[in-house]
Amino acid sequence: DGGITQSPKYLFRKEGQNVTLSCEQNLNHDAMYWYRQDPGQGLRLIYYSQIVNDFQKGDIAEGYSVSREKKESFPLTVTSAQKNPTAFYLCASSRRELNTEAFFGQGTRLTVV
Amino acid sequence: DAKTTQPNSMESNEEEPVHLPCNHSTISGTDYIHWYRQLPSQGPEYVIHGLTSNVNNRMASLAIAEDRKSSTLILHRATLRDAAVYYCILWGETSGSRLTFGEGTQLTVNP
Repeated sequence: DGGITQSPKYLFRKEGQNVTLSCEQNLNHDAMYWYRQDPGQGLRLIYYSQIVNDFQKGDIAEGYSVSREKKESFPLTVTSAQKNPTAFYLCASSRRELNTEAFFGQGTRLTVV
Repeated sequence: DAKTTQPNSMESNEEEPVHLPCNHSTISGTDYIHWYRQLPSQGPEYVIHGLTSNVNNRMASLAIAEDRKSSTLILHRATLRDAAVYYCILWGETSGSRLTFGEGTQLTVNP
């Protein structure tokens, strides 16, 4: 089945450690996005990428890094510089055209202790 | 980015229609109006989108005002499974490649 997969669903890390969240899609989409969601809040854009080997900062990129070496993969690294990393992280993908829809993964809940 | 304004919460009864409003007075001519919904602890799910004309699909209908400054998502017969946060988003040239979300409307469906 075509879709977008985030793994793992739950992730625990100690404070001060970097952690990488996986996002893979087999929809042949050029564009991919990462969001952070805190309890009771909406989604905030961290990074997005329109094409392989290119990505742009979103609204809250500080403390995060990404890479886009393959079309189907857009991993997000939460670095130790992120002051409050515990959150629900969502990945999405879409075609690049304007008249399109976005598909979301089921999210990774990161807890830093 | 062009902004949207939605009520924080709405309530409906099961099997009744629900009209979820969205204001977007700064919309540009190339912005599509999108709706997504999110159940607790899940990723958002696409509902519907449109540009100028009203749109219907198996999940909902989208009514777009003639001046495009507002729109309404219509769920024709609400079920308990429709209880979710509904996001109205503008996606087009003014937002560039950015797909950004507001706070959405929390829909409660009463049995």
